[in-house]
Amino acid sequence: ILNVEQSPQSLHVQEGDSTNFTCSFPSSNFYALHWYRWETAKSPEALFVMTLNGDEKKKGRISATLNTKEGYSYLYIKGSQPEDSATYLCAFPKAGYALNFGKGTSLLVTP
Amino acid sequence: ETGVTQTPRHLVMGMTNKKSLKCEQHLGHNAMYWYKQSAKKPLELMFVYNFKEQTENNSVPSRFSPECPNSSHLFLHLHTLQPEDSALYLCASSPQGQGVNEKLFFGSGTQLSVL
Repeated sequence: ILNVEQSPQSLHVQEGDSTNFTCSFPSSNFYALHWYRWETAKSPEALFVMTLNGDEKKKGRISATLNTKEGYSYLYIKGSQPEDSATYLCAFPKAGYALNFGKGTSLLVTP
Repeated sequence: ETGVTQTPRHLVMGMTNKKSLKCEQHLGHNAMYWYKQSAKKPLELMFVYNFKEQTENNSVPSRFSPECPNSSHLFLHLHTLQPEDSALYLCASSPQGQGVNEKLFFGSGTQLSVL
């Protein structure tokens, strides 16, 4: 993997379902892995910055895990709510520190 | 409200026009960024400024000309654009611009249409 890849591209779940999606990144020269949430008509908002292998972060019903050796991170949403509907982006800083983003996973939660 | 304000929100321009996008941050950050979001593509880094100095130009065509007069303001001057330059242009800031742990704070973007 040369860049950040996210899957699935889109996801549609019912309210109350738990869901997860994946970010894959180059495992060599790892610096950090960022997750952002981007709601329609709003600004992308940082969720987590993860730096250590095995790191696990949590914010309310959203959590993320990190495996730097195999180059992936999972984002989990427990008991999805309609307000969780957004595009979830992961980003990986290459040399120079500026973030390079994946295409995102678009999540739709319907009542 | 993220503390990063972009104007205008929408812009339509012809290929021979000259226009400018403006970004202002009220967070006391020292680094500012321009990103481009084209349809079905990931956010693409264009420029990075640290302490008013350009530290990264991601092979952006010269028809895009950034300006950073101080750490709080960032402009993107546009001239002789092409229809394929139509996209959402996002500005972001971060505290120092030299830490891989730094979160970016984004504006709401300018939706640009080039006719």
